[in-house]
Amino acid sequence: GIQVEQSPPDLILQEGANSTLRCNFSDSVNNLQWFHQNPWGQLINLFYIPSGTKQNGRLSATTVATERYSLLYISSSQTTDSGVYFCAVDASLYGQNFVFGPGTRLSVLP
Amino acid sequence: DGGITQSPKYLFRKEGQNVTLSCEQNLNHDAMYWYRQDPGQGLRLIYYSQIVNDFQKGDIAEGYSVSREKKESFPLTVTSAQKNPTAFYLCASTGEAKNIQYFGAGTRLSVL
Repeated sequence: GIQVEQSPPDLILQEGANSTLRCNFSDSVNNLQWFHQNPWGQLINLFYIPSGTKQNGRLSATTVATERYSLLYISSSQTTDSGVYFCAVDASLYGQNFVFGPGTRLSVLP
Repeated sequence: DGGITQSPKYLFRKEGQNVTLSCEQNLNHDAMYWYRQDPGQGLRLIYYSQIVNDFQKGDIAEGYSVSREKKESFPLTVTSAQKNPTAFYLCASTGEAKNIQYFGAGTRLSVL
């Protein structure tokens, strides 16, 4: 089945720093989502981004479908950005459902 | 407000007991999903349902059962056959386009 990898697995930042999280996937996909899981476990949609670039405040995402990767940029990080960031791909082309990456755990220090 | 409601937030299971986790959505979504998350891990698919009265096994269905009698509801039963049920359980749904997943707040299940 399709494989999804994320890097780095862990990231520690000082408040105000910028960061880039990466998601690689092994085959072409219909769509890709980025999620933030807060410390209480809630998964929040950040972006639905099968290709191209989107921006939402301090966050932006870029997916290069032909090269099978997506990047999530966090600028001017805040302590509330802490948590785990997951990417998930729609693998229905391969008889699977959504496949999640293992996540990047982000800690933003005050 | 439209969304997905999971209950209870916390659940304790005694050995040999079946427990049922509730998932209700008022988004008018056709497809619903159950995931399991172990500490420090990603999400693994347990069961999914594309339409009422139909559901399919995901990657880790053993020891679990589901039903889909109503569009709004997709309860998950953790049976006594699931020997390691302690985990965080998340319910999700997608609309007609099946492209964006929305999640409930989750249920934490522990074994007494």
